[in-house]
Amino acid sequence: RKEVEQDPGPFNVPEGATVAFNCTYSNSASQSFFWYRQDCRKEPKLLMSVYSSGNEDGRFTAQLNRASQYISLLIRDSKLSDSATYLCVVNRHNAGNMLTFGGGTRLMVKP
Amino acid sequence: DGGITQSPKYLFRKEGQNVTLSCEQNLNHDAMYWYRQDPGQGLRLIYYSQIVNDFQKGDIAEGYSVSREKKESFPLTVTSAQKNPTAFYLCASRGLAGGRGAYNEQFFGPGTRLTVL
Repeated sequence: RKEVEQDPGPFNVPEGATVAFNCTYSNSASQSFFWYRQDCRKEPKLLMSVYSSGNEDGRFTAQLNRASQYISLLIRDSKLSDSATYLCVVNRHNAGNMLTFGGGTRLMVKP
Repeated sequence: DGGITQSPKYLFRKEGQNVTLSCEQNLNHDAMYWYRQDPGQGLRLIYYSQIVNDFQKGDIAEGYSVSREKKESFPLTVTSAQKNPTAFYLCASRGLAGGRGAYNEQFFGPGTRLTVL
């Protein structure tokens, strides 16, 4: 089983739609969780950290469920510019600051 | 404005050649990382360094080597021993908690695309 698993997609949605991605992780001791965004042929960039109580940043909402070991990202009112690959990232057990990246979920927003 | 630079952007290598990828950061970050990304896949850790003059193997270190003589620089050499080196190589750095960015956030350079001919 991969340490961080994501549905690779692609998710094809119309502009204005709400879309949700899920990610599962295997290490119950993980403490830090992130969503990164990666545009085609570019480097990943941090979209948002994921906190235990859930957090929101504009149209983006992240949730963490420790009991089930999954993380979600909700995007409301999708824009064309949201088209990208979204990487789920968790820190590694007993390796403090090391991160494990999921394979990414590709989102394509259509006009 | 601080950041991470990688060069070259594109690199072509003949089989049997060693090549070195450059990574420089002016963020005053202590930790630096090298990842490899293959098409449609996530990032895999090659090497990392938490402080100057110290580095550790990641998950796929075979066929690669690194050095960390200066805080700002973490070059990666892809040796001829690496059987399938064609990939997108990403360098990242991380600062201390309380500094710029979220705790554990890694900042990435623009990457180097290596192709073996």
